[in-house]
Amino acid sequence: EAGVVQSPRYKIIEKKQPVAFWCNPISGHNTLYWYLQNLGQGPELLIRYENEEAVDDSQLPKDRFSAERLKGVDSTLKIQPAELGDSAVYLCASRARGVTGELFFGEGSRLTVL
Amino acid sequence: AQSVAQPEDQVNVAEGNPLTVKCTYSVSGNPYLFWYVQYPNRGLQFLLKYITGDNLVKGSYGFEAEFNKSQTSFHLKKPSALVSDSALYFCAVRDGTSGTYKYIFGTGTRLKVLA
Repeated sequence: EAGVVQSPRYKIIEKKQPVAFWCNPISGHNTLYWYLQNLGQGPELLIRYENEEAVDDSQLPKDRFSAERLKGVDSTLKIQPAELGDSAVYLCASRARGVTGELFFGEGSRLTVL
Repeated sequence: AQSVAQPEDQVNVAEGNPLTVKCTYSVSGNPYLFWYVQYPNRGLQFLLKYITGDNLVKGSYGFEAEFNKSQTSFHLKKPSALVSDSALYFCAVRDGTSGTYKYIFGTGTRLKVLA
């Protein structure tokens, strides 16, 4: 069974440029999460989807961040325009339907903003 | 509100010795507790979880964790550490009663196992 797939693994951009990250969750996992991880820190939730509905986006900086999961499968996280402080790892995770499941994480997308 | 505390930024242990990585939590309802490990430039990898039942939970790679409700703790343990266990470890909690499926992670503890 394939795991959570993220791309790109690494991205370097100039500040004020746009960037997008893509995530394909484990097949059949209806819940998808985007987390932000700063260096040496724990993941912080940006947004959670149940199928195609964003059910928790309270931590998403909506002035520059957007996300979508149009068909309830893969998802895209976008930053426009990027700022220096956005340099971090963006992690995608998914979980299966059910009450007690753990999260499965992708390898992450490391963003460096110059 | 949920929260997790990992009081030690780093734990050093000699190879072959037992290791403990500490975690305390705060949650309104029933705690669902998780441990993850992260190697450099990799995503988080699930180790074990406590949902209900036996307070001692066994997981991957010889790790185990003990749930202590009175102390609101969920410490990760291993009887004999390996150099390859050196990594970043995260504790996470979810409120099992609320139904929000929101996972809160600690700040992480770096484990260094010395040969």
